[in-house]
Amino acid sequence: DIQMTQSPSSLSASVGDRVTITCQASQDISNYVHWYQQKPGKVPKLLIYDASNLATGVPSRFSGRGYGTDFSLTISSLQPEDIATYYCQQYDNLPLMFTFGQGTKLEIK
Amino acid sequence: QLHLRESGPRLVKPSETLALTCTVSGDSISITTSYWGWIRQAPGKGLEWIGSIYYGGRTEYNPSLKSRVTISADTSKNQFSLNLGSVTAADTAVYYCARHAASGPLTFDFWGQGTLVTVSS
Repeated sequence: DIQMTQSPSSLSASVGDRVTITCQASQDISNYVHWYQQKPGKVPKLLIYDASNLATGVPSRFSGRGYGTDFSLTISSLQPEDIATYYCQQYDNLPLMFTFGQGTKLEIK
Repeated sequence: QLHLRESGPRLVKPSETLALTCTVSGDSISITTSYWGWIRQAPGKGLEWIGSIYYGGRTEYNPSLKSRVTISADTSKNQFSLNLGSVTAADTAVYYCARHAASGPLTFDFWGQGTLVTVSS
């Protein structure tokens, strides 16, 4: 099974900071990685799909990059409403399988 | 607009079967472009995919849960269901139903609100 190692597990930053979260796959998964944002008590929301594509309606301060085993999600200028837990998710078609990273809890300093 | 809603018992005894139903409105679960899945999240923990069902009843399960999971569909009611057997306290979680595409970027794009199921005697 493919493992997704996400880091850091928690992060504290100031409004306006550039924030980066990383996810490492245990084997080459091409660009089959998505990123989700989950605010407390809410349902996960898709931010980035296939490593680098911004989902509809997501602010442009969010971006993703990576290929193979190393992926990252960056918030270019942290806003108060970005306080949430962020998850990476990999998928495979054959057989169908989804694996999430452990999550990164982002807080404001 | 697609809407999903989970329903079922909130409290299940250890060793019994957890049974949840997801009612879908705004689209048919028989469409060939979507899978319908279950994801869970233990309190304070991350997300875990349980399994998905596709048009015609094809199912795919997380290998770590496969021996205890059955997902089925009732197309006449536009519902799909999760049965998880032999539950323990470790199965206490918020259970979400969600849709993902059958091809292309397999993103979970529509989610139910989730339902907390507690396993306790």
